Amino acid sequence: GENVEQHPSTLSVQEGDSAVIKCTYSDSASNYFPWYKQELGKRPQLIIDIRSNVGEKKDQRIAVTLNKTAKHFSLHITETQPEDSAVYFCAASIGVGGLTGRRALTFGSGTRLQVQP
Amino acid sequence: DGGITQSPKYLFRKEGQNVTLSCEQNLNHDAMYWYRQDPGQGLRLIYYSQIVNDFQKGDIAEGYSVSREKKESFPLTVTSAQKNPTAFYLCASSMDTGGEAFFGQGTRLTVV
Repeated sequence: GENVEQHPSTLSVQEGDSAVIKCTYSDSASNYFPWYKQELGKRPQLIIDIRSNVGEKKDQRIAVTLNKTAKHFSLHITETQPEDSAVYFCAASIGVGGLTGRRALTFGSGTRLQVQP
Repeated sequence: DGGITQSPKYLFRKEGQNVTLSCEQNLNHDAMYWYRQDPGQGLRLIYYSQIVNDFQKGDIAEGYSVSREKKESFPLTVTSAQKNPTAFYLCASSMDTGGEAFFGQGTRLTVV
């Protein structure tokens, strides 16, 4: 089936450095690409998303880029802080059950980001 | 206070027993989803419902069943046919199909 690949699985950076997480997807009809942050034992929380009609979106220290031709998108976090430490998931809207118009988010396997003070 | 609520937070199941996880939302969302999360792994789709009385199997539906009798409610039953049910279960809803998903706080199910 359609899937989403995410790399790296773990990422350790020094406070103040940048972090980049990359994802690829297989469904060429995908049009929505969110990123979620999940702290231990908690629910995933949306941090930024992008739709297929734009190539880049920025919100303070985080940005997402999308290359629809290559079917990949990336999360960029600048000036990382210890509170950025968490697991980050990318996702893409994927067709469900082979039915036209029925879509659900398919998630990558996650990246554990550790920001060292 | 709008949101999506799951209960219970922790659930223990004996071998051969069926258990039902509750999910309620007051966001007036049409689409609702159930995901399973295993330690150190991503979220895998179990079932998806776009409207009342309609639902589709996700990637790992075997051993699970759902119902969608009301727009606000999407309960998940973990049946005895699910051989490895210990996991963190997350319910989500979205305004449109495949759009931004809002998650409940999750139910941690353990087989004892």
